[in-house]
Amino acid sequence: DVKVTQSSRYLVKRTGEKVFLECVQDMDHENMFWYRQDPGLGLRLIYFSYDVKMKEKGDIPEGYSVSREKKERFSLILESASTNQTSMYLCASRSPSFADTQYFGPGTRLTVL
Amino acid sequence: EDKVVQSPLSLVVHEGDTVTLNCSYEVTNFRSLLWYKQEKKAPTFLFMLTSSGIEKKSGRLSSILDKKELFSILNITATQTGDSAVYLCAVFNQGGKLIFGQGTELSVKP
Repeated sequence: DVKVTQSSRYLVKRTGEKVFLECVQDMDHENMFWYRQDPGLGLRLIYFSYDVKMKEKGDIPEGYSVSREKKERFSLILESASTNQTSMYLCASRSPSFADTQYFGPGTRLTVL
Repeated sequence: EDKVVQSPLSLVVHEGDTVTLNCSYEVTNFRSLLWYKQEKKAPTFLFMLTSSGIEKKSGRLSSILDKKELFSILNITATQTGDSAVYLCAVFNQGGKLIFGQGTELSVKP
């Protein structure tokens, strides 16, 4: 059974803290993605990774960085959290095969106070 | 700039009603269009559409794509309260990037 897991469902942090969001997939997928989801804006791509140690900026990378040291794990890092980074964060993975869809994790709702 | 637009943004219906959700897109090098259902958790996959005019069906849900007019619709017949969710439309471009619409929030009242 397909599985993408995220380290926390809910997280509360303070402005200026360094925040790590972890995502793990067990499908041996090469591609992994981090999105944030805000009301009225849909899902917006922050960063993605085609393979281990490879990363590409998405549409809204400012204030974020990522790490992909192992194929199954993709981490999103907020170097210095700010209140405008309060959001739902969704991780996804997929095979680069055209026919495959993208599988999502359960999401992490991050609140920055 | 690639864009996916869904309408309406929100919808309230009563059980038994039929609803139609719309998704229009402007995407360079279109590859496929996907529909997801999102309750209070991760989006779950519903349909992938690549060819015009071929209806995909799963129970009370169906979807069709029009590549000439650049839109897709998702139909839900005989709605139930369990259909209440946000429905997301997304389009893959040739570069493999998935572009999402804003979502339609459907609320089905008993």
